[in-house]
Amino acid sequence: DIQMTQSPSSLSASIGDRVTITCQASQDISNYLNWYQQKPGKAPKLLISGASNLETGVPSRFSGSGSETAFTFTINSLQPEDIATYYCQHFYNLPYTFGQGTKLEI
Amino acid sequence: QVQLQQSGPGLVQPSQTLSLTCAISGDSVSTNSAAWNWIRQSPSRGLEWLGRTYYRSKWYKEYAESVRSRININPDTSRNQFSLQVNSVTPEDTAMYYCARDEGGLDFWGQGTLVTVSS
Repeated sequence: DIQMTQSPSSLSASIGDRVTITCQASQDISNYLNWYQQKPGKAPKLLISGASNLETGVPSRFSGSGSETAFTFTINSLQPEDIATYYCQHFYNLPYTFGQGTKLEI
Repeated sequence: QVQLQQSGPGLVQPSQTLSLTCAISGDSVSTNSAAWNWIRQSPSRGLEWLGRTYYRSKWYKEYAESVRSRININPDTSRNQFSLQVNSVTPEDTAMYYCARDEGGLDFWGQGTLVTVSS
């Protein structure tokens, strides 16, 4: 199975900050990488697919980049509603696996 | 707009079978462009993909190795839904269970069902 390693596991930031989360795959997954946002008591929400494609309706302050084994997720100008846990997930092959999550706090 | 509505018991006794259903609206379980997945989440295991079913001229079912011997995911075309069964459950199967559509990303999710395995 492909292992997905996210860092940091938690992050404290201020409103208006630029926030960056990294995700490392244990092998080359090309750009088969998605990013999700999960708020307490809710299901994960798909924000970015294919490493860099913003889903419809997702604010443009969210972005993703990377390929092969190294990926980055960025929030430009953090807003209060962005407080959540963020996960990466590969879909290169089965089984899909997720990173352990990055909990974003103010 | 696609919606997934989960149903099923929240409490299952050890060694029994966990059964959940995911009803689909706004799409078809028989679509050729998506797959229908079950994922669970627990503090100890994080988000764990369990398996999926999809139709591409015939039905396919694929499962995670960790649960392969105990799991069944079945489509129900007459009711436009799909189901999850996990046999011989133990307390380690206690988790929040989600169904989700996969169309290049897990883009629509059910509301989640907290399943506790306990006597």
